[in-house]
Amino acid sequence: DQQVKQNSPSLSVQEGRISILNCDYTNSMFDYFLWYKKYPAEGPTFLISISSIKDKNEDGRFTVFLNKSAKHLSLHIVPSQPGDSAVYFCAAKYNNNDMRFGAGTRLTVKP
Amino acid sequence: DAGITQSPRYKITETGRQVTLMCHQTWSHSYMFWYRQDLGHGLRLIYYSAAADITDKGEVPDGYVVSRSKTENFPLTLESATRSQTSVYFCASSGTGLNEQFFGPGTRLTVL
Repeated sequence: DQQVKQNSPSLSVQEGRISILNCDYTNSMFDYFLWYKKYPAEGPTFLISISSIKDKNEDGRFTVFLNKSAKHLSLHIVPSQPGDSAVYFCAAKYNNNDMRFGAGTRLTVKP
Repeated sequence: DAGITQSPRYKITETGRQVTLMCHQTWSHSYMFWYRQDLGHGLRLIYYSAAADITDKGEVPDGYVVSRSKTENFPLTLESATRSQTSVYFCASSGTGLNEQFFGPGTRLTVL
């Protein structure tokens, strides 16, 4: 039973445009949400996070939005750069460090 | 070097053999984790540890054993490897009060 779902396996965007990556979850107990970025042959690296008490968190070009009623979060990257091409994982946690990950979305930013 | 390291980076073994994957971190983080990454599943938690000598099962613990005698090390053992355990394994660590986890580079394990 996958509690965190990323329904788009891939996304292709032109350089300079906005990238929007989506994530849905089923467990209302999740209280913290994170996005990780992963390059080939490397481990995931933390990108940005949001607490369940907020609906938006911004860090430079990256913004995460949380809609608790819809159990949906999204990551916006503006403007997108070729170096952003990677696999992005959505994650959600509750009860200390029990973290659940989505299957990932491969973002390709074309020059 | 500071950080979190995994060894080996690549391993090929045969069905039924015992395999141990190593993980070492230099941050003195309390929490350590083992995940496996499979296509279509993302990362799934195998085991985690809140401190030395404290371990707990994650989402997919069957077929795996862990130990944590020292804070900095968290080895993962496959006691009798099966083909379904072919995967990329990631170790991660996190300090008390931190929400983000820091991942190692991964070990690609192939079970023939």
